[in-house]
Parts: sequence; C-alpha cells; structure tokens
Amino acid sequence: DGGITQSPKYLFRKEGQNVTLSCEQNLNHDAMYWYRQDPGQGLRLIYYSQIVNDFQKGDIAEGYSVSREKKESFPLTVTSAQKNPTAFYLCASSIPYDGLNTEAFFGQGTRLTVV
Amino acid sequence: SQQGEEDPQALSIQEGENATMNCSYKTSINNLQWYRQNSGRGLVHLILIRSNEREKHSGRLRVTLDTSKKSSSLLITASRAADTASYFCATTTSGTYKYIFGTGTRLKVLA
Repeated sequence: DGGITQSPKYLFRKEGQNVTLSCEQNLNHDAMYWYRQDPGQGLRLIYYSQIVNDFQKGDIAEGYSVSREKKESFPLTVTSAQKNPTAFYLCASSIPYDGLNTEAFFGQGTRLTVV
Repeated sequence: SQQGEEDPQALSIQEGENATMNCSYKTSINNLQWYRQNSGRGLVHLILIRSNEREKHSGRLRVTLDTSKKSSSLLITASRAADTASYFCATTTSGTYKYIFGTGTRLKVLA
C-alpha cells in the first residue's frame, strides 16, 4: 500500500538532547513537508522540500534541521536549540505541479515529549 | 505566519443537523483545500476548490469560495457522530510550493 510512514509514534527526549523523527513515503512524490501542531492549534510549517537535495525554511525553522538525500525520505532533527519541542509533528508529501493544485498526504504523526 | 483563520473554533451540534465552518485568508491563492483530522491522527484531504471556482460539492460536503472577501465555507449536511473531528482549511499560493493551514474548527456531533 502506498503512503507515508512516520516513526516512532511516541518519542521522549531529555533536555539538551537531539532527536530525529523519521518520515518515509512510497508515493513517488517530489515534495515533502514537516509541520508542528500544538494542542488545540493549527499546523505550522517547519521545513519543506520540493526536490531531492533541496529544502527551504518554513515559518518556525529555528531549532530544527532536515536533510533530503533520497526522494523517499525527509528526516527531521529536533536540536537542543529548540526550547519548547513538546508537540505533535506531522510529515506530508505532494506532487508539486500545476501550481500545487494537488492534495497533501499526511503521515500519522509523532508525538514528542521532553522529560 | 498562518494564512487561514477558521471560525468558529469549536462547534457542537446534534446528529442530523448541518455544520458550517468558515475560513478566512490573507493573500491571493491558487486554491483552498479542506482537511479533516481525527484526534491524535494525521490529516485527510476532503476537497479542493480552485481560485476560479465558486462552489464545489463532494457527497455531503459543500464548499464555497469568495475570493473578493478572501473567505471560504465548508458545509457538512446531515452530520453523523463519525464526523466528529477537527477541520482545517489550507491555501496554496503561486510561486511557492507549500500549504498554509489555518487554526481549525473542532466539530463535535452528538448522537
């Protein structure tokens, strides 16, 4: 089955540690995205990538880093510089053609908690 | 900055009633999309309306778009308990390849 897989589903981080959230897709989509969602809030864009080996900062990129070495994979690292990382993280992908008149497909999310 | 603002933030209705939620945005768009999120899950695409369209239907969903007012509405007719979820609008803009989401409306349908 085609789709987006995020892992792990739950992640606990000690203060000062870096952690990496995995996002893999087998939809053959060029574009991939990372969003952060806080309780009762909307989605805020962290990073996005239109093509392999290229990515752009979103609205809240500080304290996060990404890589896009393969079309299928777009891992997100939450660094110790992110002061309030506890949140629900969502990865998405899409086909970036026709002015993005296409839908985004989402993974099931990773819930990160700082302990 | 978030593009869309949804209204109301929360909505509680009885099964069988219609639910209407609104989305306002700030700049010119290519299209506006509506997504649904069940608690603790990812988002699922519901419907897309292009900037040159005014109304679109899909099953029990009806979406309208008024580009002069920079607003959209989502109507769910004959609601069911299974429609209980959060609903988000998202916009895309020419020249960028990103979806900007609103703050969402939490819908609760009481059986």
